[in-house]
Amino acid sequence: GQQLNQSPQSMFIQEGEDVSMNCTSSSIFNTWLWYKQDPGEGPVLLIALYKAGELTSNGRLTAQFGITRKDSFLNISASIPSDVGIYFCAGQPPYNTDKLIFGTGTRLQVFP
Amino acid sequence: DADVTQTPRNRITKTGKRIMLECSQTKGHDRMYWYRQDPGLGLRLIYYSFDVKDINKGEISDGYSVSRQAQAKFSLSLESAIPNQTALYFCATRGRGGSYNEQFFGPGTRLTVL
Repeated sequence: GQQLNQSPQSMFIQEGEDVSMNCTSSSIFNTWLWYKQDPGEGPVLLIALYKAGELTSNGRLTAQFGITRKDSFLNISASIPSDVGIYFCAGQPPYNTDKLIFGTGTRLQVFP
Repeated sequence: DADVTQTPRNRITKTGKRIMLECSQTKGHDRMYWYRQDPGLGLRLIYYSFDVKDINKGEISDGYSVSRQAQAKFSLSLESAIPNQTALYFCATRGRGGSYNEQFFGPGTRLTVL
């Protein structure tokens, strides 16, 4: 089945630094979503992208839908301790609009 | 109150036991999903449902069954639990129109099968 490669697997950064993570696929997606999961909680939607080339911001977060429709990135600027968690990308494949394919996650640790 | 709730939040059981995990939502969404999360593997779809008369298998449905009792309720059953079903289980919902492709997740159930 269609798979998403998410990188990096984990990041250890200092408070105030910027963060970048990305997802790539060998196949196209119609939609890209970025979720954050805090320990002991379910994933929470951060940003949704619906068009190739779209660049969307949500506070300190910025995400882009790759022009080839096969990738997406998420940037976090000026990280703070509450950014700690696991970030997941998810893509909606064109063959089934009711499904999402999830990446394996990027675990972010922020040190003061 | 949370829009998507799951019960129980934690469960420890023994091999061979029947287990039911429940999900309720107040979002009025028609689509509901069950996922399993394992370390390093992200979220994998077990089953999903469009309404009470429609149930669809996901990528890892073997060993699981579901029941959509009402639009707001979707339960996941393990008929005879085995240790490799130890995982975090998440329910999610999705509506039609507007933010069409966005799924909203419950807080999860941590299941341990001994």
